[in-house]
Amino acid sequence: SAVISQKPSRDICQRGTSLTIQCQVDSQVTMMFWYRQQPGQSLTLIATANQGSEATYESGFVIDKFPISRPNLTFSTLTVSNMSPEDSSIYLCSVGGGANYGYTFGSGTRLTVV
Amino acid sequence: GQQVMQIPQYQHVQEGEDFTTYCNSSTTLSNIQWYKQRPGGHPVFLIQLVKSGEVKKQKRLTFQFGEAKKNSSLHITATQTTDVGTYFCASKLSFGAGTTVTVRA
Repeated sequence: SAVISQKPSRDICQRGTSLTIQCQVDSQVTMMFWYRQQPGQSLTLIATANQGSEATYESGFVIDKFPISRPNLTFSTLTVSNMSPEDSSIYLCSVGGGANYGYTFGSGTRLTVV
Repeated sequence: GQQVMQIPQYQHVQEGEDFTTYCNSSTTLSNIQWYKQRPGGHPVFLIQLVKSGEVKKQKRLTFQFGEAKKNSSLHITATQTTDVGTYFCASKLSFGAGTTVTVRA
C-alpha cells in the first residue's frame, strides 16, 4: 500500500488566518481524499481531489473555505481558510489502495484555532 | 455516500473477554471495510468484505458481512490491551461513528 507523508503534524493558528496542509504520496494515485475528524468523532469526507480537475466537495464543504490543489499525481494540499475555533479538528488525507487494500491515511494534522 | 450506523459507541472490556461491534445500513452495501485507530493515531485499514455472508479472520478478530449485505460485525476474542482504540466500519468513503474500546487489565 501507498505511504503518505502529511505535514504539518500539528499547528496552533490565530482565528482569521489560513493554514495549508500538504500530503505527498510515494506513488502515483488518481484520487486523493481529504477528511476532517473533530475531537472524539468519526471521519467526515471533505472532498475528493483529482489531478487536472477541480476537487469535488461534499455537502457542507465549499471551495472558498477549503481550497484544494492537486498539481500532480503524488501531491495535494488542503487549505483551511479564514479559520475560526470551530475549524479545530484533525485533518487527514487518504488514498485508495486498490481492490483489497482499503484506504491509506496520512498521519493527520491536528489543528487548533485560538 | 452510503450511510453506515455503528454500535455501541463505547465498549469497556475486561482483559480476556470477548466483544462485538456492529455496523448497519438501510441500503445494500457493495462492500464494507473496517479500520482501527489507536489513540492519537490515524485510521489503519484492517479488512474489506465484499461477498454476502462472507467471514474473514485475522488472529483474534472475526469479521462478518451479512447475507443481505446490510450489516457487518467485528468480533474480538480474548481482548488484550493492544486492542485499545476506535474501530470504524466504512463503505464508499462514509465512516460509521466508531466503537471506542477500552480494556481493564
